Amino acid sequence: QSALTQPPSASGSPGQSVAISCTGTSSDVGAYNFVSWYQHHPGKAPRLMIYEVTRRPSGVPDRFSGSKSGNTASLTVSGLQAEDEADYYCTSHAGSINLLFGGGTKLTVL
Amino acid sequence: QVQLVESGGGSVKPGGSLRLSCAASGFTFSDYYMSWIRQPPGKGLEWVAKISNSGSSIYLADSLKGRFTISRDNAKNSLYLQMNSLRVEDTAVYYCARDGYNYAWDVWGHGTTVTVSS
Repeated sequence: QSALTQPPSASGSPGQSVAISCTGTSSDVGAYNFVSWYQHHPGKAPRLMIYEVTRRPSGVPDRFSGSKSGNTASLTVSGLQAEDEADYYCTSHAGSINLLFGGGTKLTVL
Repeated sequence: QVQLVESGGGSVKPGGSLRLSCAASGFTFSDYYMSWIRQPPGKGLEWVAKISNSGSSIYLADSLKGRFTISRDNAKNSLYLQMNSLRVEDTAVYYCARDGYNYAWDVWGHGTTVTVSS
């Protein structure tokens, strides 16, 4: 059982928007603005998509956005494209050196 | 270009040892904290260990303390993970990653597979 809760799956049609949630507690997601999101195509290196809740690294399309409300963070993918189909993981700082992972969400582009 | 390449994975019996390596290129390795993260088959990602840029501070997941250790050689632009007393549950793809932002890894390798089986 993962420390952060993500839905196991999400889906949307090309061009649509989809949001993936990441629920923690007041000791991790709710306490710190250090939530990150990673895209992982199986067999490839994971890719950082969002850090510090809302910030995008250089090269990440602005179709990807992050937000947080209380103990739940969200990754929204707008204008879905076929290449967005992947597994997505959230992480959150939880004090000291602790970093928690979500269980991952498989995003399917229909 | 910025790159991390892991090596050293393989098959080992329970109780055995392996040393993973990660070769960094395209950036000033000694400027960055580095981490190991693993993914067991069919499961999610799990943080394993972190080391400061100088190597003076080391952090390990509680469940791995006493069996795993992380080290680095800045002169060789290399990161290491020494894994002892391996268990079946250590079977995973092991990734090295650069701690490029606060509590976020901005560069990852493609991973090396460790299989622990009798």
